[in-house]
Amino acid sequence: GDSVTQMEGPVTLSEEACLTINCTYTATGYPSLFWYVQYPGEGLQLLLKATKADDKGSNKGFEATYRKETTSFHLEKGSVQVSDSAVYFCALRISSNTGKLIFGQGTTLQVKP
Amino acid sequence: EPEVTQTPSHQVTQMGQEVILRCVPISNHLYFYWYRQILGQKVEFLVSFYNNEISEKSEIFDDQFSVERPDGSNFTLKIRSTKLEDSAMYFCASTPGANVLTFGAGSRLTVL
Repeated sequence: GDSVTQMEGPVTLSEEACLTINCTYTATGYPSLFWYVQYPGEGLQLLLKATKADDKGSNKGFEATYRKETTSFHLEKGSVQVSDSAVYFCALRISSNTGKLIFGQGTTLQVKP
Repeated sequence: EPEVTQTPSHQVTQMGQEVILRCVPISNHLYFYWYRQILGQKVEFLVSFYNNEISEKSEIFDDQFSVERPDGSNFTLKIRSTKLEDSAMYFCASTPGANVLTFGAGSRLTVL
């Protein structure tokens, strides 16, 4: 069945370090891919998305490229800040006709000053 | 910015009791969802709701669960007879159409 796998956390980085959170997926068809972020005490917020192969989503310095050949959607940021500390979720949606998202298990990022 | 509001933020209940979790979706949204996350596990889809009926549900959403839009603003999830394994964070979400979901902050349910 359709699924999303994220790298295990927690990930602990110093401020200004580079970040990569790996995400791979298994899906039939051509899914849309998403990264959501959850800050402490808040809901899941959309960080970025990509709807077709080779699309790059970007927001707040974060980027992820939809790689169909490797079925991946890794999240990257060149220089993290303390305020980026949160839980990051990779997710896919099988078609635009559904709001059903399939999530990865989430990766906790802690950035230290 | 409009947001999805969920209440209560945390509820503790005894096994076998009924629980109602409430959500106020964004006012012009038409599609509503419930997801849950058991501690340490993935966020899982439970149900989607459109035009006053369930449009899709997962295997998790069995007869002990029900959803309702009792008025023009609230969207509720009822768990009829709670079990220990129902302890989780429950997220409500809404969207105006085939768009990105907006999630609430979640309601944590603890079943003792």
